[in-house]
Amino acid sequence: DIQMTQSPSTLSAFVGDRVTISCRASQSISRSLAWYQQKPGKAPKLLIYKASNLESGVPSRFSGSGSGTEFTLTISSLQPDDFATYYCQQYNSYSWTFGQGTKVEIK
Amino acid sequence: EVQLVESGGVVVQPGGSLRLSCAASGFTFDDYDMHWVRQAPGKALEWVSVISWDGDSTYYAESVKGRFTISRDNSKNSLYLQMNSLRGEDTALYYCAKDRNPIAATNYFDSWGQGTLVTVSS
Repeated sequence: DIQMTQSPSTLSAFVGDRVTISCRASQSISRSLAWYQQKPGKAPKLLIYKASNLESGVPSRFSGSGSGTEFTLTISSLQPDDFATYYCQQYNSYSWTFGQGTKVEIK
Repeated sequence: EVQLVESGGVVVQPGGSLRLSCAASGFTFDDYDMHWVRQAPGKALEWVSVISWDGDSTYYAESVKGRFTISRDNSKNSLYLQMNSLRGEDTALYYCAKDRNPIAATNYFDSWGQGTLVTVSS
């Protein structure tokens, strides 16, 4: 199975900061990657699919990039509503895997 | 509006069985692949199983293969997860989730229920 490793596990930032979260796959997954946001007690929300496509209704401050084994989620200017945990997710050969999550906290 | 409502989660003893349900509305249910994803308390998301839109294909995580069975009833807009030989490590909030695209699955999950809690404990 493909393993997904996110870094950092926790990130402290100020409102207005540019934030970058990384996700590394244990083998190439082309661009078969999504990013989700999860707030406490809530279901995950799809932000980005196919590595860089913004889901409808998601603010444009969110962007995704990467291919192969290295991927990045960027929040261009962190807003109060963005403090949450973020997960990457890959699909390959009838197997779906999530990263361990990155918690974005208020500094 | 897409709605997914899970039910069936309870406290069950190790070795026991349980059937989860997910009632879907607001979209053409029989056009979409459907998944179960779980989250142990304080832990990351873990994909569990998928069933194709027509019910012909199913796949499972290694951790549940041989113990869990996914199924659907398109006439009732419902998804199910039969869970047998339950273990402590199966304790989690179980979400049903919908694929983003009809028929030709994208393998991304664009709608989720609120989850149903399964606790395996003696």
